[in-house]
Amino acid sequence: QSALTQPASVSGFPGQSITISCTGTSNDVGGYNFVSWYQQHPGKAPKLMICDVTNRPSGVSNRFSGSKSGNTASLTISGLQAEDEADYYCLSYTSYITYVFGTGTKVTVL
Amino acid sequence: EVQLVQSGAEVKKPGESLKISCKGSGYTFTNYWIGWVRQMPGKGLEWMGLIYPGDSDTRYSPSFQGQVTISADKSISTAYLQWTSLKVSDAAVYYCARPDRGNYDYWGQGTLVTVSS
Repeated sequence: QSALTQPASVSGFPGQSITISCTGTSNDVGGYNFVSWYQQHPGKAPKLMICDVTNRPSGVSNRFSGSKSGNTASLTISGLQAEDEADYYCLSYTSYITYVFGTGTKVTVL
Repeated sequence: EVQLVQSGAEVKKPGESLKISCKGSGYTFTNYWIGWVRQMPGKGLEWMGLIYPGDSDTRYSPSFQGQVTISADKSISTAYLQWTSLKVSDAAVYYCARPDRGNYDYWGQGTLVTVSS
């Protein structure tokens, strides 16, 4: 059961949009609409940003959005802000009745 | 207010045993799964396993099956993660988190485990 694949780093200028991909298989990302995304600042616990592929929990900025196509889920951050600089992880339910995280993506605001 | 409060940092030697805890409050502890996540120094998040305190149903990632034991004591709303013989490679921050239909919406503050001879 391998980690889901994410780009190691993504960067953008303030105000721009960036997209982070999360690629799995039909046994995880492609097979279920149970993909969530987490933001983690250094030394802090992760924070849920997107649930069930596309939904934003209460309190999360509408600049964050999620989608899925086949075995790849994506997180888009629009109107990039300095506070968005952090590590981002996807998480998916799997057919083995377990969960698996992505490899993680470091977002840098230039 | 939902809270998950974890036990404090630990410093152990290789071969020693350890049990860390995660106490839930502000919700019905037996109605939600509790999961554990490892983060090794400078590395990403790894899903370890989870337990349903209501009936102690437990699931493990294949990577952690047999390496750790997840348990819970519903009488005190506390979940546990334990090792019988620590390795240097077990050094990490361990988080507990509560999934709601697979979305981990509440997290503990993390427990730092240091393993060194």
